[in-house]
Amino acid sequence: KAGVTQTPRYLIKTRGQQVTLSCSPISGHRSVSWYQQTPGQGLQFLFEYFSETQRNKGNFPGRFSGRQFSNSRSEMNVSTLELGDSALYLCASSLDWGVGKLFFGSGTQLSVL
Amino acid sequence: GQQLNQSPQSMFIQEGEDVSMNCTSSSIFNTWLWYKQEPGEGPVLLIALYKAGELTSNGRLTAQFGITRKDSFLNISASIPSDVGIYFCAGGGGSQGNLIFGKGTKLSVKP
Repeated sequence: KAGVTQTPRYLIKTRGQQVTLSCSPISGHRSVSWYQQTPGQGLQFLFEYFSETQRNKGNFPGRFSGRQFSNSRSEMNVSTLELGDSALYLCASSLDWGVGKLFFGSGTQLSVL
Repeated sequence: GQQLNQSPQSMFIQEGEDVSMNCTSSSIFNTWLWYKQEPGEGPVLLIALYKAGELTSNGRLTAQFGITRKDSFLNISASIPSDVGIYFCAGGGGSQGNLIFGKGTKLSVKP
């Protein structure tokens, strides 16, 4: 069974640009969560999607958005990039929403210059 | 919001030693999970705990769900070099509805 797949693995962008990250969950998993990981703040919850609906949202500005498609694949978008957005963005999938037991992908390392 | 205090922040031990780390919170959680992350990879689930007082093992790893539901412990017995990584605790089923992560314990093992 394939794990959670995130693309791309690495991204370099400049301030002001926007970026879209992609996540394919484990087959059969219907919930996708996104986390931002930085050395200083650790893993911070961004949002969770289930059945194409956002079920929960963390404390991030509106520049961070996401969506989920009917096949459970998810994308997150960050607009007007800032230097502080440089981080590892992790996607995780689970069978159902809000039940924990997340399975993570390898992440997308975003560098904003 | 809810926060988890994970300690110690880092550990540097000799191969063969046992390791203990813990996670505490001022809030109650219904689920405790432990993850391990290696460089360049996402966290990998090690153990999931669902009941207060539960003690669960996975090979040389043993984790416990605290009786107050506000803490959890992870023990690694007879450490080996491949145990190196960052270990995260995570609490779920709390008021925020999503998994809350501790800041991690960085484990280094000297052969």
